[in-house]
Amino acid sequence: GENVEQHPSTLSVQEGDSAVIKCTYSDSASNYFPWYKQELGKGPQLIIDIRSNVGEKKDQRIAVTLNKTAKHFSLHITETQPEDSAVYFCAATGDDKIIFGKGTRLHILP
Amino acid sequence: EADIYQTPRYLVIGTGKKITLECSQTMGHDKMYWYQQDPGMELHLIHYSYGVNSTEKGDLSSESTVSRIRTEHFPLTLESARPSHTSQYLCASKQGSEQYFGPGTRLTVT
Repeated sequence: GENVEQHPSTLSVQEGDSAVIKCTYSDSASNYFPWYKQELGKGPQLIIDIRSNVGEKKDQRIAVTLNKTAKHFSLHITETQPEDSAVYFCAATGDDKIIFGKGTRLHILP
Repeated sequence: EADIYQTPRYLVIGTGKKITLECSQTMGHDKMYWYQQDPGMELHLIHYSYGVNSTEKGDLSSESTVSRIRTEHFPLTLESARPSHTSQYLCASKQGSEQYFGPGTRLTVT
């Protein structure tokens, strides 16, 4: 069935450095790729998304890239800050149910 | 900003009790979902609905039941709570591609 693989499961970066989280998907019909951030005690929040007709999208310190041929997409966070510490989920969907990765726990070290 | 609400936010209850977790959204979304989130972060789909009077079981088997009598309301019920039901329960709604989550209910069954 459809699957989304997410790596790494845990990531620690020094404050100010960049963080990269990578995902691969199996369903070639997927055309929408959202990223969610979940802080402690809260529900996941949509932070950025990309559609299959776009290769890259940026919003301030976060960016997403999509390689449709390889079925890879990535989240890039630059100049990381303490408030970036959270769990991040990638996801892929076509017209039906959204498939989530297993999550990456990001720690920003002071 | 998503308008999706869950109550209660936290619930501690004894074994054998009947409980209902409430979820409501004011966005008029047709599609609604319930996820169970384990301590390892992964999101498991347990129920979904594509509209009024439509309910389906998700990928993870669950002893809970749901109903969808009104578009804005999607409650989840456990007839007899057990310690194995202890978890975080997340409700979500979707229109088009974008899916939004509620804040979650942390359920502890003693």
